Amino acid sequence: DAGITQSPRHKVTETGTPVTLRCHQTENHRYMYWYRQDPGHGLRLIHYSYGVKDTDKGEVSDGYSVSRSKTEDFLLTLESATSSQTSVYFCAISREGTGGADTQYFGPGTRLTVL
Amino acid sequence: GEDVEQSLFLSVREGDSSVINCTYTDSSSTYLYWYKQEPGAGLQLLTYIFSNMDMKQDQRLTVLLNKKDKHLSLRIADTQTGDSAIYFCAVANDNQAGTALIFGKGTTLSVSS
Repeated sequence: DAGITQSPRHKVTETGTPVTLRCHQTENHRYMYWYRQDPGHGLRLIHYSYGVKDTDKGEVSDGYSVSRSKTEDFLLTLESATSSQTSVYFCAISREGTGGADTQYFGPGTRLTVL
Repeated sequence: GEDVEQSLFLSVREGDSSVINCTYTDSSSTYLYWYKQEPGAGLQLLTYIFSNMDMKQDQRLTVLLNKKDKHLSLRIADTQTGDSAIYFCAVANDNQAGTALIFGKGTTLSVSS
């Protein structure tokens, strides 16, 4: 299994509070991704990173920010959590960017509940 | 943009074959992927197929690709209760490196004994 960990694995927070989720990899892969998974929507991309300090928006980036100061860590921040951000968040990594024979490997997920 | 469609549920009996279908709209994806998600877990890469192939077999798994109809299927032979999970079809936009995979909504496979 790819060396990907996510922390915390579960979190309950209140509306309006800031939340930071962490993804840590030991594979030295260049690309890292944050997805959210919701019933009826499958997985949707929030943000991704193609190198240290290099990030870009995905399909559902509003209300989220990311940072990548080291190859191994990719942080997802909800500046002011809302109930619509209750979801399961997955981090993924890939070596050269998706496509070709390269693919993405997923972390175990973080279940976030915003009350 | 790219759209990937899957049926939402499939129920089979243990020992039967399961066929999970997927259709997609963008033909630029060089590889097409199948992921499996067990309850409470992340997504696990199950198999993938190169777009110039019609079929790929890997033990109990057979992937069929009809590029003309943009249709992908995953067949699981001799389905076991341990195969109960959500199966996701995914494609990539090869025109942009680092682009995320586009996932279908997932097919929940339920295997009864």
